[in-house]
Amino acid sequence: AQSVTQLDSHVSVSEGTPVLLRCNYSSSYSPSLFWYVQHPNKGLQLLLKYTSAATLVKGINGFEAEFKKSETSFHLTKPSAHMSDAAEYFCVVSGSPSGGYNKLIFGAGTRLAVHP
Amino acid sequence: NAGVMQNPRHLVRRRGQEARLRCSPMKGHSHVYWYRQLPEEGLKFMVYLQKENIIDESGMPKERFSAEFPKEGPSILRIQQVVRGDSAAYFCASSPATSRVNTEAFFGQGTRLTVV
Repeated sequence: AQSVTQLDSHVSVSEGTPVLLRCNYSSSYSPSLFWYVQHPNKGLQLLLKYTSAATLVKGINGFEAEFKKSETSFHLTKPSAHMSDAAEYFCVVSGSPSGGYNKLIFGAGTRLAVHP
Repeated sequence: NAGVMQNPRHLVRRRGQEARLRCSPMKGHSHVYWYRQLPEEGLKFMVYLQKENIIDESGMPKERFSAEFPKEGPSILRIQQVVRGDSAAYFCASSPATSRVNTEAFFGQGTRLTVV
């Protein structure tokens, strides 16, 4: 069965410092992995996705994530946090062997706070 | 091209009433997914539909919940005889296909249901 674990429920950083949001996954087949961001009272926006191509995936707004099969991890990073990055971030694995968007499995989320 | 449109954005129902949540997918998208987000939790898959067909409803509660995606018109998530535990944010997403290659599932802004 597919699952994801987000290791931190809250992360707090200062503006201009690096961001690291940790995610471990479990999958019985080659996974498709995603990071989504949710701003308060808004919908979800796709930041980036891994679909068995390059292991280092670049996304929008300067975010990137590295797929590490040996560690079953897909951590999200950004070199320099901006105030507008404050939001809830979800690590997601596809529940489908084809890697499709049906039955996405979400982690519990990490709330990122950015301080001046 | 308008995004995924959900309405209403906020819905208040008394216990025992019916709630009807609507989702209009993006133009050209024939796949719709419904997710539920309980407070302080990630999203949980409920149901996956294509036009006039329910493909996967493994995440739907067995009673009181139903979903449809008719040939014409929006997808509807219907909750009969609502109870306080149904209070949550309900998100709809759509995609042109389920393939993971060069496609993306776009999420609506959600309907926040409050049962009083």
